[in-house]
Amino acid sequence: RKEVEQDPGPFNVPEGATVAFNCTYSNSASQSFFWYRQDCRKEPKLLMSVYSSGNEDGRFTAQLNRASQYISLLIRDSKLSDSATYLCAVKRAGANNLFFGTGTRLTVIP
Amino acid sequence: GAVVSQHPSWVICKSGTSVKIECRSLDFQATTMFWYRQFPKQSLMLMATSNEGSKATYEQGVEKDKFLINHASLTLSTLTVTSAHPEDSSFYICSARGVSGSGETQYFGPGTRLLVL
Repeated sequence: RKEVEQDPGPFNVPEGATVAFNCTYSNSASQSFFWYRQDCRKEPKLLMSVYSSGNEDGRFTAQLNRASQYISLLIRDSKLSDSATYLCAVKRAGANNLFFGTGTRLTVIP
Repeated sequence: GAVVSQHPSWVICKSGTSVKIECRSLDFQATTMFWYRQFPKQSLMLMATSNEGSKATYEQGVEKDKFLINHASLTLSTLTVTSAHPEDSSFYICSARGVSGSGETQYFGPGTRLLVL
């Protein structure tokens, strides 16, 4: 089973819509969780860390469900500029590296 | 914020050529650097983890003699693709671990596109 799994999409949503992505992880020892954004032909950039209590940054809300081993990202009031691939990343306790999901492609349509 | 640079940003070379990619952390010291590879429409795949002053740790299936990694200082790691072949064509991204106001984070370089003809 993959360390991290994501629905690859694509998600095509109209401007102003609310869209949510989920990402499941297989290792219960996972400790840190992140959402990255990757634009076409560019490197991933950190969007936000995911905290146990959930956290919000403007239109973006991230949540963690340890019992079901998934993290989610909610984007409200989608903008055209939100079009990108969203990657979840997970770090195990004691490990150095991040494990990435395959990414979910989002296209916001005018 | 923290910045990681990579050079070159793209390379086109003939089969059999060796290609060297540099990764630098510009405003922080990175004791650990990671090298990833990403094929079109696929996820980032970790190739190796590089710690300053010691040998890199390679992921299963990655040939250490083909992908030479050197992490000579706290701000520089290099990846050399030896005798590159067309199947090595990919997007190579380095990442450095550093500490920011948000705690420990992994920062990515802009990537190097390699095309082997």
